[in-house]
Amino acid sequence: DTGVSQDPRHKITKRGQNVTFRCDPISEHNRLYWYRQTLGQGPEFLTYFQNEAQLEKSRLLSDRFSAERPKGSFSTLEIQRTEQGDSAMYLCASSFITATSYEQYFGPGTRLTVT
Amino acid sequence: QKEVEQDPGPLSVPEGAIVSLNCTYSNSAFQYFMWYRQYSRKGPELLMYTYSSGNKEDGRFTAQVDKSSKYISLFIRDSQPSDSATYLCAMSSNTGGFKTIFGAGTRLFVKA
Repeated sequence: DTGVSQDPRHKITKRGQNVTFRCDPISEHNRLYWYRQTLGQGPEFLTYFQNEAQLEKSRLLSDRFSAERPKGSFSTLEIQRTEQGDSAMYLCASSFITATSYEQYFGPGTRLTVT
Repeated sequence: QKEVEQDPGPLSVPEGAIVSLNCTYSNSAFQYFMWYRQYSRKGPELLMYTYSSGNKEDGRFTAQVDKSSKYISLFIRDSQPSDSATYLCAMSSNTGGFKTIFGAGTRLFVKA
């Protein structure tokens, strides 16, 4: 399968714990995005990478959140000191940007539940 | 006011009906327009992609973009029960780093 993959698919954690999610994009894609989606809402942008450089972060990404994309391949999203409000689906997407092409392809998501 | 407005529905139609889904937006800089289908507890699946204005057809799906009215549509012909899902509109521009803004999604139910 050559699509975007995410791991784990589900994560249950207790408030105050740290969690880390992984995303493997489509191999030839140069951009990688993280989104958060809560029930009944569309995905909300968190951050994106062009190769290994993190180029933009949403104000939703508090200092408890950090993302990396070492060597421009897979990416990790870490949440420190989780709060109940962090419970959501965390989605990763990748794309290959050209002048007229901008399709983003999403992974299956990681569903986080903070108890 | 949200940058992208989409009626959350739910929208319920009989099998075989033509479905019309719509979004309005406020940012005239948007150039890239997408429709995603999302089944429950799954990631969004790209259905249609349009650059700038115009129509695009793919099988039973037709996407329309009217930039003068800031209005986009997705039409589904001969709807099937398997089309029952949430449909998300999304849009972006090459300013601001191609950040994509999504609508809230419209829940569609196609009854057999």
